Amino acid sequence: QITLKESGPTLVKPTQTLTLTCTFSGFSLSTSGVGVAWIRQPPGKALEWLALIYWDDDKYYNPSLKTRLTITKDTSKNQVVLTMTNMDPVDTATYYCAHRLVAMALDYWGQGTLVTVSS
Amino acid sequence: DIQMTQSPSTLSASVGDRVTITCRASQSISIWLAWFQLKPGKAPKLLIYKASSLESGVPSRFSGSGSGTEFTLTISSLQPDDFATYYCQHFNNYPWTFGQGTKVEIK
Repeated sequence: QITLKESGPTLVKPTQTLTLTCTFSGFSLSTSGVGVAWIRQPPGKALEWLALIYWDDDKYYNPSLKTRLTITKDTSKNQVVLTMTNMDPVDTATYYCAHRLVAMALDYWGQGTLVTVSS
Repeated sequence: DIQMTQSPSTLSASVGDRVTITCRASQSISIWLAWFQLKPGKAPKLLIYKASSLESGVPSRFSGSGSGTEFTLTISSLQPDDFATYYCQHFNNYPWTFGQGTKVEIK
């Protein structure tokens, strides 16, 4: 059974760096074809894909946020970490992580974590 | 970037109704499209992948069709559990993008 859970601060100040952790079970990020993505949804707005990391450490970023994002994995801990620099109130959103296999859709998602950016 | 345009943005329907949501891509994405159901406080749920493949465990009243730039999600007989917001998403290339969402409300 695949599960994912996001964790991190619920409140960050403008200009700070956000660090979110996705802790998962039921699969390994050392298995060929496996990837973990981050997606966010601002209140009342649409979903936005942020970043993706694969078993072979290949990484992809949303170009609109690429300069601010870093995605890494710790295979031994079954974790994927997303950092986002220079946070702004417009980055207030629910942040999700999700599992995928190459050429397949995002099939398992975490419940999300709400991050508010405010001074 | 490929733009995904969903319509309608809101849909009012009754239990038992047949519901259709449309998603258009700004360029061809072949069949690399997924549909998701979102409910507040719950993990998003994959319904359809590769445009028309039903995800395991998803009721058969959900179906997807289309290829290229035009896609539809159909709920053949709306059930109380189906009142939610639905999103399409392409995974043809990076960056992945989502539609604006369709909220299905009780009429």
